[in-house]
Amino acid sequence: DSGVTQTPKHLITATGQRVTLRCSPRSGDLSVYWYQQSLDQGLQFLIQYYNGEERAKGNILERFSAQQFPDLHSELNLSSLELGDSALYFCASSVDPRTNYGYTFGSGTRLTVV
Amino acid sequence: DAKTTQPPSMDCAEGRAANLPCNHSTISGNEYVYWYRQIHSQGPQYIIHGLKNNETNEMASLIITEDRKSSTLILPHATLRDTAVYYCIVRVEGNTDKLIFGTGTRLQVFP
Repeated sequence: DSGVTQTPKHLITATGQRVTLRCSPRSGDLSVYWYQQSLDQGLQFLIQYYNGEERAKGNILERFSAQQFPDLHSELNLSSLELGDSALYFCASSVDPRTNYGYTFGSGTRLTVV
Repeated sequence: DAKTTQPPSMDCAEGRAANLPCNHSTISGNEYVYWYRQIHSQGPQYIIHGLKNNETNEMASLIITEDRKSSTLILPHATLRDTAVYYCIVRVEGNTDKLIFGTGTRLQVFP
């Protein structure tokens, strides 16, 4: 157990639907990062939050959004889902981006859009 | 875009040392080199990181060349459980601090 909890582990939904992925960072970690990994593809950075504030955006589609709550857990919302959104979605956390501590990843949510 | 170059795949016999190279010729003076690995669809796992000195921990050793343009991750006694994709990452400085993953090296450890 890495200390980063992602739920659900698996999710199957239909095209056009909306889903929410949840991430609880490791205790004490202020920063949360979301990554997408499509089949046989690399890890694509989506978005980062630090202590409730959006810190950086990557290749995140307009249909996707995220937020970090006061208790520091984060949610990634995916709407108008398409077949191509099927992927593994990973969340990572770190104490403070300004330190050089390693990031800790969760075990991911596998999203299948049918 | 990723700032590192790694071979797409490597093989290693179980019990032998696995030496995984990485080129990062455009690395800046205050950027660190990080290594992660991903075992079949699991979340990436932090291995080690360094700035300019060689580093060692319980998992691996990191050798960084004096000009810092390349590095080598060494798994001293590879086991079958070390079969994974290994990512060499140069940490982006500034407010973003996101990790940019390249395509990595797929290490296959064979019996």
